[in-house]
Amino acid sequence: EAAVTQSPRSKVAVTGGKVTLSCHQTNNHDYMYWYRQDTGHGLRLIHYSYVADSTEKGDIPDGYKASRPSQENFSLILELASLSQTAVYFCASSDKSSQNTLYFGAGTRLSVL
Amino acid sequence: QQQVRQSPQSLTVWEGETAILNCSYEDSTFNYFPWYQQFPGEGPALLISISSVSDKKEDGRFTIFFNKREKKLSLHITDSQPGDSATYFCAAREGPNYNVLYFGSGTKLTVEP
Repeated sequence: EAAVTQSPRSKVAVTGGKVTLSCHQTNNHDYMYWYRQDTGHGLRLIHYSYVADSTEKGDIPDGYKASRPSQENFSLILELASLSQTAVYFCASSDKSSQNTLYFGAGTRLSVL
Repeated sequence: QQQVRQSPQSLTVWEGETAILNCSYEDSTFNYFPWYQQFPGEGPALLISISSVSDKKEDGRFTIFFNKREKKLSLHITDSQPGDSATYFCAAREGPNYNVLYFGSGTKLTVEP
């Protein structure tokens, strides 16, 4: 079964601090994604990646950077965390051959104070 | 702007009733529409999907109805069960860039016993 693991599961950060959210998948999928979930907005795409060492901007990339050092790992980096970045963040992976079915991790709840 | 819209935001039905969740989209290049189900504390998971060449897709108690001309679709859950209580997201895939999914804001379904 597909497995996407996110760490940490929750985090409290201070405004202006650096935050790194990590994602690891054992699906052997080429594609990985970072989504943000806010009440009333559903899931919004931040960054995604087709292949290691390459990332693409999604719909709301401002204030976020992404890193894909290997096929299995995909990180989301908030260089200067802000209050507005308080949300639940989901990582997902998909295989081109599976009609783009996304397999999501359990999410990271980030609170910026 | 929101590419995929869902209504209602929340819905309560009694056990055994049919729940109807609505979705509409803007971009005529969208050609694949998955519905994801999310339970509290978990990531979304694929429930059922339809492509634009079909007008109906059925999987057990879950049925998608698709109207390409009106750019609308709906998810019908017949004989609703308390275990169906979850948030349901409609999503759409852009034709040319098929690995990017756009999600609606979700419908929170509660099934009362």
